[in-house]
Amino acid sequence: GAGVSQSPSNKVTEKGKDVELRCDPISGHTALYWYRQSLGQGLEFLIYFQGNSAPDKSGLPSDRFSAERTGGSVSTLTIQRTQQEDSAVYLCASSLVIGNSPLHFGNGTRLTVT
Amino acid sequence: GNSVTQMEGPVTLSEEAFLTINCTYTATGYPSLFWYVQYPGEGLQLLLKATKADDKGSNKGFEATYRKETTSFHLEKGSVQVSDSAVYFCALENTGNQFYFGTGTSLTVIP
Repeated sequence: GAGVSQSPSNKVTEKGKDVELRCDPISGHTALYWYRQSLGQGLEFLIYFQGNSAPDKSGLPSDRFSAERTGGSVSTLTIQRTQQEDSAVYLCASSLVIGNSPLHFGNGTRLTVT
Repeated sequence: GNSVTQMEGPVTLSEEAFLTINCTYTATGYPSLFWYVQYPGEGLQLLLKATKADDKGSNKGFEATYRKETTSFHLEKGSVQVSDSAVYFCALENTGNQFYFGTGTSLTVIP
């Protein structure tokens, strides 16, 4: 079956522009997570959704970052007024249920801010 | 709090060598523990997991045992292959439904 799909796979943008990253989870997966992976770093938690609600937004690095999920399915991560330090690979993962259910990752969106 | 510390890389081994990648954790309560693997050019995928103390997760010749007394979940493989070259991430999941990942250990296996 289809896995987690992320688009675009690569995005190059100019500093100060807004970008929108999309994640299409595995059908039926109720939980959706966003992580950021910077070069040489581990995975930095950003936000997770249970259904359409986000109980934990503590990982969002600044108020330039926001995310939403509609219909319990597709999620978008928006970064406003991008900065060079936002350059990273943004990973989306979904899991069937919350708790004790492994994550299924997409291939990520590589964001480069010039 | 919750955190994962794993062995720094990169690790380079010859084919058929024995592999150990150390992972220790800090957690409240009773977390589930995971190893994820990221092959070149691919997304992370689950390698193995263990959900309670003394459980052993295994897959593709890799093993890890959940040791509560030492708060460890070390990854081992008896004989590595070139195709095992990848980045390995140790992770825990705890109440609150968050996953905490280590920084990853890059493994290169040379023929």
